[in-house]
Amino acid sequence: DTEVTQTPKHLVMGMTNKKSLKCEQHMGHRAMYWYKQKAKKPPELMFVYSYEKLSINESVPSRFSPECPNSSLLNLHLHALQPEDSALYLCASSQAVYIYEQYFGPGTRLTVT
Amino acid sequence: AQTVTQSQPEMSVQEAETVTLSCTYDTSENNYYLFWYKQPPSRQMILVIRQEAYKQQNATENRFSVNFQKAAKSFSLKISDSQLGDTAMYFCALGNAGNNRKLIWGLGTSLAVNP
Repeated sequence: DTEVTQTPKHLVMGMTNKKSLKCEQHMGHRAMYWYKQKAKKPPELMFVYSYEKLSINESVPSRFSPECPNSSLLNLHLHALQPEDSALYLCASSQAVYIYEQYFGPGTRLTVT
Repeated sequence: AQTVTQSQPEMSVQEAETVTLSCTYDTSENNYYLFWYKQPPSRQMILVIRQEAYKQQNATENRFSVNFQKAAKSFSLKISDSQLGDTAMYFCALGNAGNNRKLIWGLGTSLAVNP
């Protein structure tokens, strides 16, 4: 029932690894979001892309690097993560940043060892 | 500052009964939107219901309805005929042009539907 897909579903990485999370939506939305979510907590906004341009960076450490190759795709590149970065990473999209109704993907469960 | 408060961290209800989850908010904006999102255990976050502040009529989606009290800044969610599949975290969220158009989230209510 999701129109926002995320891969991989699960990811285990060491602190020296480089990995990427991928998000795709085919709803024609022009705003895409990355959130970090800890168990039983609300999502915390990390980045917002509007029309493929980064519009919000919530002071996220540089070990997280977002990329928006086109209007349907959003990547999150990970490098030198810390164990406290272990969380569920959610991608979401909306028609535009001023349309507040967001649709979420299923998330990537990230474990940093 | 804009805030969303969910005062019930955990709730439980018997199957087939009705339960109401509370949400209060604070904003100085006149035009805003309110949402209830549902996140079942280990499953996807989905939008349950939305309410535009300028609409007086309360939103309804099947067994889910809201009681929107604009003056009191209250936005409660009523779930009728609760089903086991309603077991989830429920988050209330506020969206408007303030705060750089970011959604403001409540801390969530964990609802357990018991057989």
